[in-house]
Amino acid sequence: DSGVTQTPKHLITATGQRVTLRCSPRSGDLSVYWYQQSLDQGLQFLIHYYNGEERAKGNILERFSAQQFPDLHSELNLSSLELGDSALYFCASSFKPGLDKDTQYFGPGTRLTVL
Amino acid sequence: AQKVTQAQTEISVVEKEDVTLDCVYETRDTTYYLFWYKQPPSGELVFLIRRNSFDEQNEISGRYSWNFQKSTSSFNFTITASQVVDSAVYFCALSEARAAGNKLTFGGGTRVLVKP
Repeated sequence: DSGVTQTPKHLITATGQRVTLRCSPRSGDLSVYWYQQSLDQGLQFLIHYYNGEERAKGNILERFSAQQFPDLHSELNLSSLELGDSALYFCASSFKPGLDKDTQYFGPGTRLTVL
Repeated sequence: AQKVTQAQTEISVVEKEDVTLDCVYETRDTTYYLFWYKQPPSGELVFLIRRNSFDEQNEISGRYSWNFQKSTSSFNFTITASQVVDSAVYFCALSEARAAGNKLTFGGGTRVLVKP
């Protein structure tokens, strides 16, 4: 158990809908990351938040947005869902503020199925 | 741009055989970090090892060992005396020191199947 929690574990929804994925980092970790794992694209970095501020953006669609709250939990919002958004979404967290490239510990993932 | 290549898509071995997973990376940064993660059938990603670019010492942890060779941009992973519980997908990943944030670039993964 990495200490990173993600809810829900599974999510089934329809095209055009909007969903919110939630992540709680390990106790004391300041950074939260989101990744998407799909069969055709593999594991792709989406976004990195550090202590509430966005630090880096990857291949994140405009229909997707994220935020990190004062209690350091994070939410990934996916809207106008398409079939191709079906994937496993991982959250990861890391801590050391002086060590920007700290090791990331991953949560169990949320499996999103868009029908 | 950073890139990680795991040329082996799937490796099948019989229990107690050794298995080596190849990882080749590309980066223009002189300082970078390499990682291996394991994804068992249950789906979570489990951290195995982190290596800094300025530390070329090889590492051994139980049945796991890692061979980092900067000259060939490779960071290979060997499982000695494999066990059925080693069956998983293994990912190699790279993070560049000069890049904003802490983005991990993953290879495509190598699926290891250990048969009893």
